[in-house]
Amino acid sequence: KQEVTQIPAALSVPEGENLVLNCSFTDSAIYNLQWFRQDPGKGLTSLLLIQSSQREQTSGRLNASLDKSSGRSTLYIAASQPGDSATYLCAVSPYTDKLIFGTGTRLQVFP
Amino acid sequence: EAQVTQNPRYLITVTGKKLTVTCSQNMNHEYMSWYRQDPGLGLRQIYYSMNVEVTDKGDVPEGYKVSRKEKRNFPLILESPSPNQTSLYFCASISGRREFFGPGTRLTVL
Repeated sequence: KQEVTQIPAALSVPEGENLVLNCSFTDSAIYNLQWFRQDPGKGLTSLLLIQSSQREQTSGRLNASLDKSSGRSTLYIAASQPGDSATYLCAVSPYTDKLIFGTGTRLQVFP
Repeated sequence: EAQVTQNPRYLITVTGKKLTVTCSQNMNHEYMSWYRQDPGLGLRQIYYSMNVEVTDKGDVPEGYKVSRKEKRNFPLILESPSPNQTSLYFCASISGRREFFGPGTRLTVL
């Protein structure tokens, strides 16, 4: 059974720091991996999607990497801002349209 | 604007009183899904639907029902809610690589 773990559970950093969020999964047979952002009172927003054949994806200050063989993904946030404060969720897809979520990392960026 | 709507957003009810949480999407997606989110457990899939009249159990279906009579709507039904169903519920509409999540429904069962 696929299990997805995110470390750390919570993180508090000063504005401007570069930071790394970690995601690990137990079964390397995945279709893709996604990183989502969750804001209080709102739904989830997809940030980056990495297909199983890809190693990384970038969007602005965000960079996500995928190492299927070791069952790991990282989300790198450059020059963090208070607006980045949210919960970040990692989800793997064992097949199309199915998502298995990690428990999330709650990020706070303070001025 | 592409969106998924859920109603109600907040609900406090008592044990055993039937309730329905509605979900509607305007993107003509075939695949829709319900999740619950609990501290320390993440989002877990309750039920999903691959098209009209096609539904199947997710990872935690006990105590829930769903229906898919039309493509845009996918209501979640709790016939006899219990306190362990207190949670934050999300509906999602999915097409290929794009997922759209509703804003969530926070349910408290006393």
